[in-house]
Amino acid sequence: ETGVTQTPRHLVMGMTNKKSLKCEQHLGHNAMYWYKQSAKKPLELMFVYNFKEQTENNSVPSRFSPECPNSSHLFLHLHTLQPEDSALYLCASGLAGVTQYFGPGTRLTVL
Amino acid sequence: GIQVEQSPPDLILQEGANSTLRCNFSDSVNNLQWFHQNPWGQLINLFYIPSGTKQNGRLSATTVATERYSLLYISSSQTTDSGVYFCAVRNSGNTPLVFGKGTRLSVIA
Repeated sequence: ETGVTQTPRHLVMGMTNKKSLKCEQHLGHNAMYWYKQSAKKPLELMFVYNFKEQTENNSVPSRFSPECPNSSHLFLHLHTLQPEDSALYLCASGLAGVTQYFGPGTRLTVL
Repeated sequence: GIQVEQSPPDLILQEGANSTLRCNFSDSVNNLQWFHQNPWGQLINLFYIPSGTKQNGRLSATTVATERYSLLYISSSQTTDSGVYFCAVRNSGNTPLVFGKGTRLSVIA
């Protein structure tokens, strides 16, 4: 248990569905991150928020839409995904420039 | 951007054995972390170690920043040590961490 929670833990969705992933931390961290982990690939950083402001968008397709309403919550809104988007989506939080702590991840399957 | 290489890519150990995992990086860093990802996908922060040596139980890590490498030592390995070990670095300011491809460790009883 790292203090970072993610829901849901597993998600199966069709290509026409809209769903959202949620991440929550109450560790007092000021930075939150979304990563994608596909089979046999390094962790890919998707988005970074520092003090609720998006500071990094790593050329992520627009079918992934992040939202950070406050420093404790981070969402990833999904719509019209492709089967190749199936992966483990990991949220992390940290003090900017220092350590990162990861949530348990959401395993997403797109049919 | 900075490159991170981890070796070996795969490692199989008998329970009780010791091992050394290596992380090489291509530029100076101000942040280096080691993570363990268990078979269920959970990433656990093991060490924040941009330089020097740290120990935590059976695990220890050493980073020689001037020579651009870090080592993770696992002693008396246990089956629960199985999983993937990632090294991640940052080389300036608040740039994002860059992860290596990991070392997949399997400890067999």
